[in-house]
Amino acid sequence: KAGVTQTPRYLIKTRGQQVTLSCSPISGHRSVSWYQQTPGQGLQFLFEYFSETQRNKGNFPGRFSGRQFSNSRSEMNVSTLELGDSALYLCASSPTPDRVNEQFFGPGTRLTVL
Amino acid sequence: DQQVKQNSPSLSVQEGRISILNCDYTNSMFDYFLWYKKYPAEGPTFLISISSIKDKNEDGRFTVFLNKSAKHLSLHIVPSQPGDSAVYFCAAFYDGGYQKVTFGTGTKLQVIP
Repeated sequence: KAGVTQTPRYLIKTRGQQVTLSCSPISGHRSVSWYQQTPGQGLQFLFEYFSETQRNKGNFPGRFSGRQFSNSRSEMNVSTLELGDSALYLCASSPTPDRVNEQFFGPGTRLTVL
Repeated sequence: DQQVKQNSPSLSVQEGRISILNCDYTNSMFDYFLWYKKYPAEGPTFLISISSIKDKNEDGRFTVFLNKSAKHLSLHIVPSQPGDSAVYFCAAFYDGGYQKVTFGTGTKLQVIP
């Protein structure tokens, strides 16, 4: 069974631009979560979607947004990029939100903001 | 406010010896804990978990211990192998609340052959 895929794998943007990252969950998984990983900060939770609805949101500014489509694929968008947004963005999917031990991560999108 | 802390950013262990990775948490609402392993250029992979109703869970070479009174958990790897060299994240969860799964900052384990 195919794993979680994320596109693109690498991205370079400049300050002020916006970016859209994509995540395709494992087939049959309906819950998708997004995390930001930066050195020294671990994985910071961004948001979680289940059945096209945002179920939880982390402590990030409104520049960070996301959505989930009917096929469970998810996108996250960051507008007005700042240098501090440079990070590895990880997407994870699970069958349902409560089955966290069945959460599988994608390889991530490395975003660099210049 | 870091609710899950891994105070050792790195750890080096000889092959065959025991690796002990530690994790502390502050939120007493957490009732489920997980350990993930992460290799470079890959996403984290689930390793082992423990419910707050238990104090120990084993899976092969990996054992997780939970001390609820101390709000502390640890991952033991015995015997350590070079392939275990990776970054290990502990994570805590409770259903509900603002943040779903809270991760620590990670500990980079190096197993020396």
